Amino acid sequence: SYELTQPLSVSVALGQTARITCGGNNIGSKNVHWYQQKPGQAPVLVIYRDSNRPSGIPERFSGSNSGNTATLTISRAQAGDEADYYCQVWDSSTVYVFGTGTKVTVL
Amino acid sequence: QVQLQESGPGLVKPSETLSLTCTVSGGSISSYYWSWIRQPPGKGLEWIGYVYHSGTTNYNPSLKSRVTISVDTSKNQFSLKLSSVTAADTAGYYCASSSPTPSSPFDIWGQGTMVTVSS
Repeated sequence: SYELTQPLSVSVALGQTARITCGGNNIGSKNVHWYQQKPGQAPVLVIYRDSNRPSGIPERFSGSNSGNTATLTISRAQAGDEADYYCQVWDSSTVYVFGTGTKVTVL
Repeated sequence: QVQLQESGPGLVKPSETLSLTCTVSGGSISSYYWSWIRQPPGKGLEWIGYVYHSGTTNYNPSLKSRVTISVDTSKNQFSLKLSSVTAADTAGYYCASSSPTPSSPFDIWGQGTMVTVSS
């Protein structure tokens, strides 16, 4: 089965840049989606198909995907960006699979 | 704007069947994949399965033997049944939608409902 690995936590200073990685075998050949989940709330899509932002998502959120790593970048981090972030892909064996999740803390 | 709302019992006894319904409002249940996704307390997300408006289904291989997802187009609802539950099935359960292509994201989510398995 296909697996996606994320760091357990990432800390970023207010106004600085946070990068959250998502590792998977040849993930660069897949479409990667990213979700933000705040405590007690449902996940929200923040990046789809590697680097596209849904309507209403700030330009501070961006994504890239190559080789065995996809990356979600949060520029000019704000206190409101504190949340858990999950990557997700579709794989023919596992169908829909989520990453292990990363807790982002803004210092 | 399509909205999703989960409903069902918050407490289920071990070995029994968990049943949840998701009501789709603000749009038709046609033309999308309708999924169930769960999240144990303090843990990550797990896709359970989806149903298409035609009734076509696809399930997570790890849960396939216990899962049934069905759709009622007349009521704009789809449902989850998970049999022989144990404490490990205690989780927040979300319904979500995605376009009917494998590479599409889950773009709309319900607020989620917590289900506890306990006697």
